[in-house]
Amino acid sequence: SAVISQKPSRDICQRGTSLTIQCQVDSQVTMMFWYRQQPGQSLTLIATANQGSEATYESGFVIDKFPISRPNLTFSTLTVSNMSPEDSSIYLCSVQRLGEQYFGPGTRLTVT
Amino acid sequence: QKEVEQDPGPLSVPEGAIVSLNCTYSNSAFQYFMWYRQYSRKGPELLMYTYSSGNKEDGRFTAQVDKSSKYISLFIRDSQPSDSATYLCAMSEAGGTSYGKLTFGQGTILTVHP
Repeated sequence: SAVISQKPSRDICQRGTSLTIQCQVDSQVTMMFWYRQQPGQSLTLIATANQGSEATYESGFVIDKFPISRPNLTFSTLTVSNMSPEDSSIYLCSVQRLGEQYFGPGTRLTVT
Repeated sequence: QKEVEQDPGPLSVPEGAIVSLNCTYSNSAFQYFMWYRQYSRKGPELLMYTYSSGNKEDGRFTAQVDKSSKYISLFIRDSQPSDSATYLCAMSEAGGTSYGKLTFGQGTILTVHP
């Protein structure tokens, strides 16, 4: 398995501000993933982050809104920019190890 | 039409019951199938991982894949109150050592009452 931690665990933010979410993994991984889980919805992949290269975004998600950093093989950040109430969601970091995918505990974001 | 359909429930059963959770999908390229369990305010936890059609058993859990019908199931025998959680199916076109983007179902909320 993989041990994944995220900070913050939750936050309440005002419209128009930005929040950066941190993800730390217990050992080196090539790819890290960021998912969103909106209330009553399934998990949706936002982007894939490889160390040393630009993140790859899924349809409907753009770098200006969700910039991602991947400075090393155990850490990544996701920023939710210029937030609106529609960004209220749980944001989850994920890694793949030995063919299986593991998730962090999530960051619960509420935008007022 | 969503690529993966999962009845969101909620599903409520008595302790000791056999639980059946199901997903249907439309993408015939899906080869790898997973079930995750998610407790309230926690991240999803991988329960079962199967490749192609067939059954896989792990303790009280059995995962079943029928690719001809594009249908997967998770059976929980002798259900316990600790099984109360949201169960998510997920699938991908690639897997093993190659990364495959996961497509998730909506999740089924299960409550097992004593």
